[in-house]
Amino acid sequence: GQQVMQIPQYQHVQEGEDFTTYCNSSTTLSNIQWYKQRPGGHPVFLIQLVKSGEVKKQKRLTFQFGEAKKNSSLHITATQTTDVGTYFCAGVNNAGNMLTFGGGTRLMVKP
Amino acid sequence: DTGVSQDPRHKITKRGQNVTFRCDPISEHNRLYWYRQTLGQGPEFLTYFQNEAQLEKSRLLSDRFSAERPKGSFSTLEIQRTEQGDSAMYLCASRPTKGLPLYNEQFFGPGTRLTVL
Repeated sequence: GQQVMQIPQYQHVQEGEDFTTYCNSSTTLSNIQWYKQRPGGHPVFLIQLVKSGEVKKQKRLTFQFGEAKKNSSLHITATQTTDVGTYFCAGVNNAGNMLTFGGGTRLMVKP
Repeated sequence: DTGVSQDPRHKITKRGQNVTFRCDPISEHNRLYWYRQTLGQGPEFLTYFQNEAQLEKSRLLSDRFSAERPKGSFSTLEIQRTEQGDSAMYLCASRPTKGLPLYNEQFFGPGTRLTVL
């Protein structure tokens, strides 16, 4: 079945540094979603990418979808303590009805 | 609060007991999902419903697990003869299949944390 992997598993950064997490799927994806889970919280939707090579920005967050629709990345510029949490990518299957989550990247920000 | 709600938030049980969890989705959402999440891992799909019909179950789902959504509104997830390996956070999510929002994002509830002693 479909597998989605994320690296790194953990990332410590100093506040103000940049952060990137990478997501790779074993199969071509219909589209990909990104979620953020704060410590003790539940996943909250951030963005969905659909087109090959798509790039979307949300303030300091930049999301990319690879040309082959098998990989994606999330880049945060100038991290803040409010960015702390675990970032998950989730691949959407071709039927559009199921998500396969990656293992997540836990971001810790030192003030 | 009009978000997804789950009850109970925490459950501690002894091995071999049965447990049941409830999920109330956002009212106009016809699709409902159950996931299991263990520490340091992403949510793992268990099953989903379109209205009252259960359309997909994970092949990893033991036959000790059963889910229902009898009237197409709330859903229950039952685990029979619990084992220590069942200890996890059980998350429910819902989404509409028509109209807004634009994306097919899923809205997650706060989860039920199960501890099997």
